[in-house]
Amino acid sequence: KAGVTQTPRYLIKTRGQQVTLSCSPISGHRSVSWYQQTPGQGLQFLFEYFSETQRNKGNFPGRFSGRQFSNSRSEMNVSTLELGDSALYLCASSLDNGGPYEQYFGPGTRLTVT
Amino acid sequence: GENVEQHPSTLSVQEGDSAVIKCTYSDSASNYFPWYKQELGKGPQLIIDIRSNVGEKKDQRIAVTLNKTAKHFSLHITETQPEDSAVYFCAAGGYQKVTFGTGTKLQVIP
Repeated sequence: KAGVTQTPRYLIKTRGQQVTLSCSPISGHRSVSWYQQTPGQGLQFLFEYFSETQRNKGNFPGRFSGRQFSNSRSEMNVSTLELGDSALYLCASSLDNGGPYEQYFGPGTRLTVT
Repeated sequence: GENVEQHPSTLSVQEGDSAVIKCTYSDSASNYFPWYKQELGKGPQLIIDIRSNVGEKKDQRIAVTLNKTAKHFSLHITETQPEDSAVYFCAAGGYQKVTFGTGTKLQVIP
């Protein structure tokens, strides 16, 4: 079974621009979560989608948004990029069949804002 | 919300020695405690987890222990090997959401 895939793997953007990152979950997984990883802050939860609905949200500004499609694929968007948005963005999928929340991560998208 | 603290932030051990990473959590409702290993350039990989109805779980050289009364849980790696070098994350939560610790960089010295 194929793992979680994320595209693109690397991205360089300029301050003020916007960016869209994509995530394809493991086949059959209905929940997709997004995390921001930086050296000083560890893994910070952005939001989680389940059946095309945002079910949980972290403490990030409204510039960070996401969506999920009917095939469970998800995208996240960051508008008006700031230098501090430079990070590794990780997507994780989960079967979420009512049991403990086992997540499987993709390789991440490395975003650099200049 | 849940708050997870993880210690130490860095750990160096000689090959063959044991390594222990400790985490504490704040929410007594948490009932699921996974551990992830992240190698350079890769996403975190689930290596073992423990649920609140179990006090200890082993998988070959890796073991996790859970003390619900004290709200802490630990990862034990025995007979460490160079390929164990990575960043390890603990997490605590339950259904739909987990909160991660800040990570421990483990270096195994050959």
